[in-house]
Amino acid sequence: KAGVTQTPRYLIKTRGQQVTLSCSPISGHRSVSWYQQTPGQGLQFLFEYFSETQRNKGNFPGRFSGRQFSNSRSEMNVSTLELGDSALYLCASSFAGATYEQYFGPGTRLTVT
Amino acid sequence: KNQVEQSPQSLIILEGKNCTLQCNYTVSPFSNLRWYKQDTGRGPVSLTIMTFSENTKSNGRYTATLDADTKQSSLHITASQLSDSASYICVARGSYDKVIFGPGTSLSVIP
Repeated sequence: KAGVTQTPRYLIKTRGQQVTLSCSPISGHRSVSWYQQTPGQGLQFLFEYFSETQRNKGNFPGRFSGRQFSNSRSEMNVSTLELGDSALYLCASSFAGATYEQYFGPGTRLTVT
Repeated sequence: KNQVEQSPQSLIILEGKNCTLQCNYTVSPFSNLRWYKQDTGRGPVSLTIMTFSENTKSNGRYTATLDADTKQSSLHITASQLSDSASYICVARGSYDKVIFGPGTSLSVIP
């Protein structure tokens, strides 16, 4: 069974630009969660999508948004990038949500200059 | 306030030695606690998951313990290998929308 895939793996953007990250969950998984990981803050929960609906949201500004498609693939968008948005963005898929086993992708390393 | 603390922040041990990582959580109500291993540049991989009724769970050379009364968990690594070098993250889950990650312990195993 293929694991969680994330594209792109690395990205360099300039302040003020926007970016879209993609996550393909494990086949059969309907829940996708997004996390931001920085050396200073550790892993922080962004949001969770289940069956195309945002089910939970972390404490991030509205510049961070996401969506999920009918095939469970998910995208995360960050608008008006700031230097502090530089981080590893991880997506995790699970069968039906947070109480189930979560499988993480390799992450997208975003650098904002 | 819901939070997870881990100690030590970093640890260096010799190959073949044992070590124990600590996790203290204040998440209420408590649902379960997971330990993840994260290699540099990669996503975390789950090692163990325990609910409040479980106090020990093993996964190969990794043994996790949970004391729901004191809200403490530990991860014991036996006969460490160079490949154990990674960050170990403790995650406490409360009610459905509360997922609290610890800051992680960075473990370096040296020959």
